[in-house]
Amino acid sequence: GQNIDQPTEMTATEGAIVQINCTYQTSGFNGLFWYQQHAGEAPTFLSYNVLDGLEEKGRFSSFLSRSKGYSYLLLKELQMKDSASYLCAVRDSNYQLIWGAGTKLIIKP
Amino acid sequence: GAVVSQHPSWVICKSGTSVKIECRSLDFQATTMFWYRQFPKQSLMLMATSNEGSKATYEQGVEKDKFLINHASLTLSTLTVTSAHPEDSSFYICSARETRGTGNSPLHFGNGTRLTVT
Repeated sequence: GQNIDQPTEMTATEGAIVQINCTYQTSGFNGLFWYQQHAGEAPTFLSYNVLDGLEEKGRFSSFLSRSKGYSYLLLKELQMKDSASYLCAVRDSNYQLIWGAGTKLIIKP
Repeated sequence: GAVVSQHPSWVICKSGTSVKIECRSLDFQATTMFWYRQFPKQSLMLMATSNEGSKATYEQGVEKDKFLINHASLTLSTLTVTSAHPEDSSFYICSARETRGTGNSPLHFGNGTRLTVT
């Protein structure tokens, strides 16, 4: 079966750095997405990786290793507004999106 | 950037009634739109894929006669929850991908509709 694993919850301190990991097992691979979802709101797109390596976008970076079935989202200079759930999603060989359960990130002052 | 508008944001209805949710792509054309449902503290669950001008494709376990989907134009898809029951109470989210985009274009989400059935 297809599976996406992420930690359920993480806690970090304002101003610090946090890394959210995602491992996947899917039938084929056509890209990996990270979305941010605040409570009660719809997800918003953060990043997309299809090739191995690091993609940097401001305070957020996303890394992919296809051979390991692994990605991480790195958040720097954490702000209180970064408290949210972070969803990892993989597009499989049929271009279907497989969603992880999300990681709830709690930022403490 | 691409904007998807979803309406209403929240709705409360009585058991047995029907509710229609609209999803519009405001500044791009969307041949395909996706309808998701999300229960508290759970991830997104794909309900169906809405295709402009043709029948929707429903995921296993989703009743097509209960969740009616219409995608009459390149910018509008509607989801009608018929004969709603309390267990249908959930957060419904639509999303779309630009028609001209590649298969790896990200999904753009509407703001979601919180449905409560009493």
